[in-house]
Amino acid sequence: DTGVSQNPRHKITKRGQNVTFRCDPISEHNRLYWYRQTLGQGPEFLTYFQNEAQLEKSRLLSDRFSAERPKGSFSTLEIQRTEQGDSAMYLCASSLATGGIGNQPQHFGDGTRLSIL
Amino acid sequence: AQTVTQSQPEMSVQEAETVTLSCTYDTSENNYYLFWYKQPPSRQMILVIRQEAYKQQNATENRFSVNFQKAAKSFSLKISDSQLGDTAMYFCAFMKLGGGAQKLVFGQGTRLTINP
Repeated sequence: DTGVSQNPRHKITKRGQNVTFRCDPISEHNRLYWYRQTLGQGPEFLTYFQNEAQLEKSRLLSDRFSAERPKGSFSTLEIQRTEQGDSAMYLCASSLATGGIGNQPQHFGDGTRLSIL
Repeated sequence: AQTVTQSQPEMSVQEAETVTLSCTYDTSENNYYLFWYKQPPSRQMILVIRQEAYKQQNATENRFSVNFQKAAKSFSLKISDSQLGDTAMYFCAFMKLGGGAQKLVFGQGTRLTINP
């Protein structure tokens, strides 16, 4: 178990630029989540994948945001035309859905901290 | 929609003391999990303990235990014999079971400092 890996750890960019983050989940995990955490707050759900299918998106995910999970493995989160308000920590988590009512807990990566100048 | 409230933004105790962190939540669901996650400074979020709503018995994990009051929608975390390594942000989280994303809904967090 190598854990959830996120790259880069930090990203500094100018307003208006596009950025892309990558998340590599724990290998056997079929569920992948993206959350956003602003300073001093708890994480907020952005989107969720079951295998390669994106099954739910939060209203927080404006049309400038897009996420993919090709082949149900790693995932990318892209933000186009970044704004000051996008500055946050972007967390990825993965879990194993075992069916039925119970599921394994979500395991989090270290996050990507985005700073918009 | 579910909401989670942590009313203590910061807490501080001496090493070896016992500390209790509060959490309340609001939901109309009957099947759910509750979690406490720990986020040390500049480190990843780690699961501390979880409670299934259908279980009446409170969960325990070594020095960590919860007081789950379903009717009151309260879910507090007790840390016994606190250690310096317990210093972190602690987040209470709710997860609805059944169909759908089973996403986590987090509280605002409590910053816990253990002093030597």
